[in-house]
Formats: sequence, structure tokens, C-alpha cells
Amino acid sequence: KAGVTQTPRYLIKTRGQQVTLSCSPISGHRSVSWYQQTPGQGLQFLFEYFSETQRNKGNFPGRFSGRQFSNSRSEMNVSTLELGDSALYLCASSLASGRKIYSNQPQHFGDGTRLSIL
Amino acid sequence: AQSVAQPEDQVNVAEGNPLTVKCTYSVSGNPYLFWYVQYPNRGLQFLLKYITGDNLVKGSYGFEAEFNKSQTSFHLKKPSALVSDSALYFCAVRDRGYQKVTFGTGTKLQVIP
Repeated sequence: KAGVTQTPRYLIKTRGQQVTLSCSPISGHRSVSWYQQTPGQGLQFLFEYFSETQRNKGNFPGRFSGRQFSNSRSEMNVSTLELGDSALYLCASSLASGRKIYSNQPQHFGDGTRLSIL
Repeated sequence: AQSVAQPEDQVNVAEGNPLTVKCTYSVSGNPYLFWYVQYPNRGLQFLLKYITGDNLVKGSYGFEAEFNKSQTSFHLKKPSALVSDSALYFCAVRDRGYQKVTFGTGTKLQVIP
């Protein structure tokens, strides 16, 4: 079974631009979460999607947004990029079915998109 | 609000010696607890989880973790460390009320040959 796929792996942008990152979850996984990882702040939760709806949100400004499609694939968008947005962005998928996320199931991570802002 | 603490930024252990990576948590009610490992330039990989039942949980690559409810701890252990175990380890908690997952700050494990 294919793992979580994130594209692109590396991205270089300049301040003020916007960026869209993509995540394809493991087949059958309907919950997708996004995290930002930096050396200073560690692993920070951005948001979680299930059935095309945002179910949880972390403490990030509105410049960070996401969506999930009917096939469970997800994208996140960051607008008006700042230097501090340079980070590894990780996507994780987990099992869910019907109307429920299985909280006792582990998350499966992609290898991330490394975003560098110049 | 739930939280996770990994009190050690780095743990050094000699190859062949037992290792322990510490984790304590705070959550309302009974938790689901997880350990993940991250190698350089890779995403996190799931090692093991505690849901209910036996306090000693066995996972991948010979790792195990001990759940202690009274001390609200979930320490990761391995009887004999390998150099290839050197990586960044994360503890995570999720309460049963379907809140978001909270990760610790990570502990870098260095196994010295």
C-alpha cells in the first residue's frame, strides 16, 4: 500500500508570494492533518480535515488555510509568505470512516515539503 | 487542554546499553498515547501506541513503552540500543473526546558506538 505522498518535496519562494502544498493520503484514510515543523518551535498542529470539513484548527493566522477534496486528498495554502514561514510542512493521514475519526489510530506521515522563503 | 512534556532535549547512550526516553502527559480523562521516530529529512514514523489494557506496550524495532497512570508517564524503552536507533523521538497524546493530537518537543537520541 502506498504511503502518504506530499508534493513538492522542496520549494523556494520569496516574501509576499503564496504557495500551495499537496497531500495524498494512504488509500482508505479519510482524515488528513497538517503540521509545521521548525527547529525553534518544534512540531505545531495546523489543521485537521475529515470528510471535506475542517474539524480542528491550531493557532496559526488566517494566512494559513486548507481544504480537502472528495477523494480525501488535501491541500494547504499559505498567502503573503513571511520569512518565518520557512519550515518543513508535514501531512499525516489516519483511519476514519462514516462520520467518525478513529482517535486511537496512529497517524501516518509523509516526508514533508520543505519550504524556504527568501 | 492537553499537553505533553519530553524533559530531555537529548539522550546519549552507549551501543548495547538499555535506553529510556521520557514522556509525561496531561489530559482530561483517559488518553491515547503514541511514540513516533523521525530520521533526518523524513516524516515521522509510528512506533507504538497505548490504548488500554497492559501497561507495557511493545512496538516496532524492539521498542516498548510503559504506561504509568499515577505518574502520567509513557516512557519509551529498549533493552539494547543500536547505532541505527539514533534519531528524533516524539511522544504524542490524544484524548478520547476526539481532540487534536498534541506532540511533545522531541528528544534526540544519540547512540554512541
